[in-house]
Amino acid sequence: GQNIDQPTEMTATEGAIVQINCTYQTSGFNGLFWYQQHAGEAPTFLSYNVLDGLEEKGRFSSFLSRSKGYSYLLLKELQMKDSASYLCAVKDSNYQLIWGAGTKLIIKP
Amino acid sequence: ETGVTQTPRHLVMGMTNKKSLKCEQHLGHNAMYWYKQSAKKPLELMFVYSLEERVENNSVPSRFSPECPNSSHLFLHLHTLQPEDSALYLCASSQGGGAARYSEQFFGPGTRLTVL
Repeated sequence: GQNIDQPTEMTATEGAIVQINCTYQTSGFNGLFWYQQHAGEAPTFLSYNVLDGLEEKGRFSSFLSRSKGYSYLLLKELQMKDSASYLCAVKDSNYQLIWGAGTKLIIKP
Repeated sequence: ETGVTQTPRHLVMGMTNKKSLKCEQHLGHNAMYWYKQSAKKPLELMFVYSLEERVENNSVPSRFSPECPNSSHLFLHLHTLQPEDSALYLCASSQGGGAARYSEQFFGPGTRLTVL
């Protein structure tokens, strides 16, 4: 079966750095997505990786290793507004998104 | 209106009721999706309409019935639901086909459904 694993919950301090990991086992791979979802709101797109390596976008970076079935989302200079759930999703061989259950990130002052 | 809109935002219904959820996208996309989001579970893809072709998840009960009259509008018709169907129902759209198969999905704010 297809599976996406990510930690259920993480806590970090304002101003610090946090890394949210995601491992996947899917039938085929056509890219990995990270989404942010604030409580009661729609998921919003953060990043897309299809080749190995690091993609940087402001305070957020996303890394992919296809051989290891592994990705992480790195958030720097954490702000209180970064408190949200972070969803990892992989497009399989049929271009359908397979989703993880999400990581709830709690930022403390 | 911009992006993806959904109505209603909240819905409480009894198990014998019939109701419909509505989604509209203003992004010019040609693929639309219904997802179910339950607490601490992955998003479950229920239905996809891509380039006017419906792709179903065979595990979705028949009490959920989608309708896509055109590329901008999507409905989810509900009848004789069960309490375990209570969840957040999210609509999304994307550009489908060709190289756009790699594109991201844009989500609406969801309908919070409670079945009594």
